[in-house]
Amino acid sequence: DAMVIQNPRYQVTQFGKPVTLSCSQTLNHNVMYWYQQKSSQAPKLLFHYYDKDFNNEADTPDNFQSRRPNTSFCFLDIRSPGLGDAAMYLCATSRVRPGQQETQYFGPGTRLLVL
Amino acid sequence: QKEVEQNSGPLSVPEGAIASLNCTYSDRVSQSFFWYRQYSGKSPELIMSIYSNGDKEDGRFTAQLNKASQYVSLLIRDSQPSDSATYLCAVGDSNYQLIWGAGTKLIIKP
Repeated sequence: DAMVIQNPRYQVTQFGKPVTLSCSQTLNHNVMYWYQQKSSQAPKLLFHYYDKDFNNEADTPDNFQSRRPNTSFCFLDIRSPGLGDAAMYLCATSRVRPGQQETQYFGPGTRLLVL
Repeated sequence: QKEVEQNSGPLSVPEGAIASLNCTYSDRVSQSFFWYRQYSGKSPELIMSIYSNGDKEDGRFTAQLNKASQYVSLLIRDSQPSDSATYLCAVGDSNYQLIWGAGTKLIIKP
């Protein structure tokens, strides 16, 4: 089945220790998104890639970076995690065509805990 | 600032009744609308998408869109305890992104 996969599902890191979260997709979608979601809040968009074009949200902290080495894979790097970065990180993909927003499909998420 | 508003709830509905979830949005040019269901600790799962005014039915779910009034709703018929979750309304913007509501927590009481 075509799907969005995220690894790991749970990540525990220490304050200030870099961490990388990964996402892969078999849907062949041209857009990939990274969201941060905290308890009882809406998903907050951090970045998205339209093909290879990287788009950074204005309020995404510099501590967060992303890479998309090919169509199928995308990575979220948190250079120096703080306690406030503990959250669920969601990867989503979408097939975007001019003039229409298609459905975004989500991976299972990575729960990040910062000690 | 583009916004999507939802009542946070919780909305409590007896099992077997109709649950009605509402969402309003600020961007008049929005063309695509989505309802996602999210169980606690899980990722959002698409329930319905709707692009045209009127009703769209899929099983026990009906999405209703009124672009003139800028609202979209989701009806769940014959509500089941397994429908208990947070329902997120999302509206597509001109930059192929989604503007998200904070979600309505729905509780179905057996």
